[in-house]
Amino acid sequence: AQTVTQSQPEMSVQEAETVTLSCTYDTSESDYYLFWYKQPPSRQMILVIRQEAYKQQNATENRFSVNFQKAAKSFSLKISDSQLGDAAMYFCAYCQGAQKLVFGQGTRLTINP
Amino acid sequence: GAVVSQHPSRVICKSGTSVKIECRSLDFQATTMFWYRQFPKKSLMLMATSNEGSKATYEQGVEKDKFLINHASLTLSTLTVTSAHPEDSSFYICSARVGSEPGELFFGEGSRLTVL
Repeated sequence: AQTVTQSQPEMSVQEAETVTLSCTYDTSESDYYLFWYKQPPSRQMILVIRQEAYKQQNATENRFSVNFQKAAKSFSLKISDSQLGDAAMYFCAYCQGAQKLVFGQGTRLTINP
Repeated sequence: GAVVSQHPSRVICKSGTSVKIECRSLDFQATTMFWYRQFPKKSLMLMATSNEGSKATYEQGVEKDKFLINHASLTLSTLTVTSAHPEDSSFYICSARVGSEPGELFFGEGSRLTVL
């Protein structure tokens, strides 16, 4: 079974600085998708960024970018120019085939003003 | 973007009673919806996949008689927690698939169930 591991339960960063959240996963598949979701205090999950495994180019969405290392099964999220509104729980997730998302344990990100 | 709404957002019930949680896609039709359970400070665990017009597919370890899922229309799926017990207290979240691309999922606001 696929597993997703986030080894950082909590992270903090100064406003305007850059922070990287780690994620590793385990799968025997070659074609799959990886995601980072954000869960703010309102609790509603919001998609931050998506990466297709067959694409070598790292996905980027404005201040959010990923470092996808397929061989190492690593998928980290970099947040540049951190803003107070970035404070949330961040979940790494894996999806293959039937669109069942497998989530990591989550990383709570705190932004220090 | 697409909107998924859950109701109620919070519910408190007595042990032994049943509670129904609704998940609606407000501006699109969702043939597939997913139900997750989230324990405090924990990740989301998929409970079941709900397909319109057919029986839900439950994940291993999830009691289908305990957690009844009905997806009677393209815009509504319901989760009924039957004979609720305190250990069923949790945050329940639904998501709906919008298009055909993996990850095109929109999540509801979640429903916090507290069983006394």
